[in-house]
Amino acid sequence: DAKTTQPPSMDCAEGRAANLPCNHSTISGNEYVYWYRQIHSQGPQYIIHGLKNNETNEMASLIITEDRKSSTLILPHATLRDTAVYYCIVRPRNFGNEKLTFGTGTRLTIIP
Amino acid sequence: DTGVSQDPRHKITKRGQNVTFRCDPISEHNRLYWYRQTLGQGPEFLTYFQNEAQLEKSRLLSDRFSAERPKGSFSTLEIQRTEQGDSAMYLCASSQGTSGSTDTQYFGPGTRLTVL
Repeated sequence: DAKTTQPPSMDCAEGRAANLPCNHSTISGNEYVYWYRQIHSQGPQYIIHGLKNNETNEMASLIITEDRKSSTLILPHATLRDTAVYYCIVRPRNFGNEKLTFGTGTRLTIIP
Repeated sequence: DTGVSQDPRHKITKRGQNVTFRCDPISEHNRLYWYRQTLGQGPEFLTYFQNEAQLEKSRLLSDRFSAERPKGSFSTLEIQRTEQGDSAMYLCASSQGTSGSTDTQYFGPGTRLTVL
């Protein structure tokens, strides 16, 4: 069962920052937060992951609250190519818990 | 740099036929995963390999499904006696096989199966 809650859909204007929330109130200390996205008819694409510190890479930033019960994925300057379904996933760091459990994600639409 | 590749990208078959899909992981990735995705849903885990050993299978993987990774490189997923309910996108992913957070899974483009 998915351990995360995401809004089913969001819109964002092109060029603005897209902020995608995720609730993971039952997260445990050994679980990471991962974000993937899936553009229509393609395989999921890894974006970023983190444990408790904020993370940034060339694609996005991940902000995790201090209590770790929620996080926000930030796409700083959204483009039309960012239109996709975004999945927030919690995953144990222990060796032997390998599968990713996807929910239904957030469908982000970038508006021109 | 080549990512995960899958073949074929699309397959249309008649109910009762057998189908086989192939996945080539990223070079030197020890782990290989299979997922299935139906319309409007997120991917669901089917099985995974550490090198040539199949270490976990989901209850979704019925007796009609079999996966192999004979030399620890590419993998095949076979579905026997296909049913209309097997229609889905079949996704393959690979990872290096390191413990902890660094073992990120990278997905291929998927094989879309349609059973008529």
